[in-house]
Parts: sequence; C-alpha cells; structure tokens
Amino acid sequence: EPEVTQTPSHQVTQMGQEVILRCVPISNHLYFYWYRQILGQKVEFLVSFYNNEISEKSEIFDDQFSVERPDGSNFTLKIRSTKLEDSAMYFCASIRVTESFFGQGSRLSVV
Amino acid sequence: QKEVEQNSGPLSVPEGAIASLNCTYSDRGSQSFFWYRQYSGKSPELIMFIYSNGDKEDGRFTAQLNKASQYVSLLIRDSQPSDSATYLCAVTDNNNDMRFGAGTRLTVKP
Repeated sequence: EPEVTQTPSHQVTQMGQEVILRCVPISNHLYFYWYRQILGQKVEFLVSFYNNEISEKSEIFDDQFSVERPDGSNFTLKIRSTKLEDSAMYFCASIRVTESFFGQGSRLSVV
Repeated sequence: QKEVEQNSGPLSVPEGAIASLNCTYSDRGSQSFFWYRQYSGKSPELIMFIYSNGDKEDGRFTAQLNKASQYVSLLIRDSQPSDSATYLCAVTDNNNDMRFGAGTRLTVKP
C-alpha cells in the first residue's frame, strides 16, 4: 500500500526558532494537505496545495507559515518564529477524491 | 465558514452492540464524506467514504448520507473493544479541500 512519509517524527524547538516539517506524498496524487492537531483537540485544516501552488489556506495559516514543494517530491511546511501554541501534531496528507493517505505525523514541541 | 459538527462523546457501548456516530455539515456544496478512525497519538485511518445519498456497507460498518438534511452517520455493528477510538467525520468541498469534525470518542466495553 502506498504511504506518506513524514520527518521528523518528533522535534523539540525553542520558542522563536524556525522549524521545517517534511513530507513525501504519494507520487501520483495531485492534492497535498497539511493539518494540525493540538493534543486532545480536533484535526484542523491548515493548507492545501495543488499544481505546485497553494489552493486554499485556513485562517490559522498566517504569515508565520509557508509551504513549498522544492524538488517535485518533498512537500514542506515551514513555521517561522515558533510560539508555544504551535506545539501540536502536524499531519501531511495526499488526497485524491476517494483515496486519502495520512503520514504518521510530526510532533512539534515548542519550549 | 464551513463547519463539520460531531458530538464529542464519549460514547460508550457494550461489546456486540451497535455504535451509532453522527455528523452534520454546513456547506451544501460538499462533495464527499469520509469516516476516519484515530487511535491516540496516531494518524487518522480511513474507514469509509460515501458520496451518494443512501447507505453504503462495508463489513461491520455502514455509512449513511442524507444530503438534504446535511447529515452523515456511521454505524458499527457487533462492536469490539478494538473499535475503541476517536471517529472523525470529514467532508470535502468542490475544491477537494477536506475539513474535519472534532471527533467522537467511542469506548466499547467488554
């Protein structure tokens, strides 16, 4: 079964530092997503990416966040100047109509 | 604002019973509807999807969709303790963007 791979699995960072979370989505999928889940809370949509561009972003996805697909395979989420409230599990997903695959998640702990 | 609403639970059922999970959504243009299972600390795992009104059955799971009422449900027959998890309802719009409900925590007691 195809899978979405995310790295790192866990990152601890100091407040104010920049973090890059990486994802390798399914190669023949066209839509890629980042979601965030704060511990004990719902899965929140951050951003969708299609055809190498942002398709839609939520109100959470402000100037602190950016996404890139620098080499046609990796899909990255950059969080600048991290805050304590950015501590969460970040999931990457490849979704195509009725197929959806989530990565195992990257846990970000901001201290 | 495109909302997906679920009862947070917890929902507790005895082993062997039917568990019924409900979800409503606000966007009438929603296209596809998904049920995911999420164990604590793990990523969501797709159980079923449905896009036409009516029922769709897969093993012990039945998804029901009523677009007029903007309602989708998941029935789990013969519930097992291993079914204990948080169940997430998700809805995609015509841009293929997926939004999740807050999830319902299900506990199946032996």
